[in-house]
Amino acid sequence: GQNIDQPTEMTATEGAIVQINCTYQTSGFNGLFWYQQHAGEAPTFLSYNVLDGLEEKGRFSSFLSRSKGYSYLLLKELQMKDSASYLCAVGDNFNKFYFGSGTKLNVKP
Amino acid sequence: DTEVTQTPKHLVMGMTNKKSLKCEQHMGHRAMYWYKQKAKKPPELMFVYSYEKLSINESVPSRFSPECPNSSLLNLHLHALQPEDSALYLCASSQDASGKNEQYFGPGTRLTVT
Repeated sequence: GQNIDQPTEMTATEGAIVQINCTYQTSGFNGLFWYQQHAGEAPTFLSYNVLDGLEEKGRFSSFLSRSKGYSYLLLKELQMKDSASYLCAVGDNFNKFYFGSGTKLNVKP
Repeated sequence: DTEVTQTPKHLVMGMTNKKSLKCEQHMGHRAMYWYKQKAKKPPELMFVYSYEKLSINESVPSRFSPECPNSSLLNLHLHALQPEDSALYLCASSQDASGKNEQYFGPGTRLTVT
């Protein structure tokens, strides 16, 4: 079966750095994706990792370790608008896409 | 153009009604998806179309009937729904259905079944 775990909720302060972890166990792996979803809106794509290592994109970075079944999303210089849910998702070998339950990030002043 | 559009934005229907949700993309993507999302839960995959053919049906009840008239359009036909089917229905598309490409999501249709 598929199992993708993320913390349910996190709180951080404006200007700080926060790391959101994701662990996964899936039958087949074609890449790990991070999405941001504001309440009542559609998910928007943030990053994709298929090889081990760190991918940096502005204030957002994502890391993958395939041997450990582990990824994290790093958000730097937090802004109030970063308050949202962050979804980890895995593409498997069977054309399927599985989402974790999401981490709700609260950014406080 | 990296936009996926969905209509309608909101839909209220009775349990005996028949309605359809529509989704459109013009990015040349060959995979399109329907997801269902309940409040405070992640999206759940319902259907995957690859090159206009249904490739995955995640054991969705037959009261939901997908249709892909062409490579840009995806419909979801609804009939005899239950109140528990009330949710946000998201359409998405990706370059292909290999699982290696990001999915672009539409804004969703918020469905209420009364």
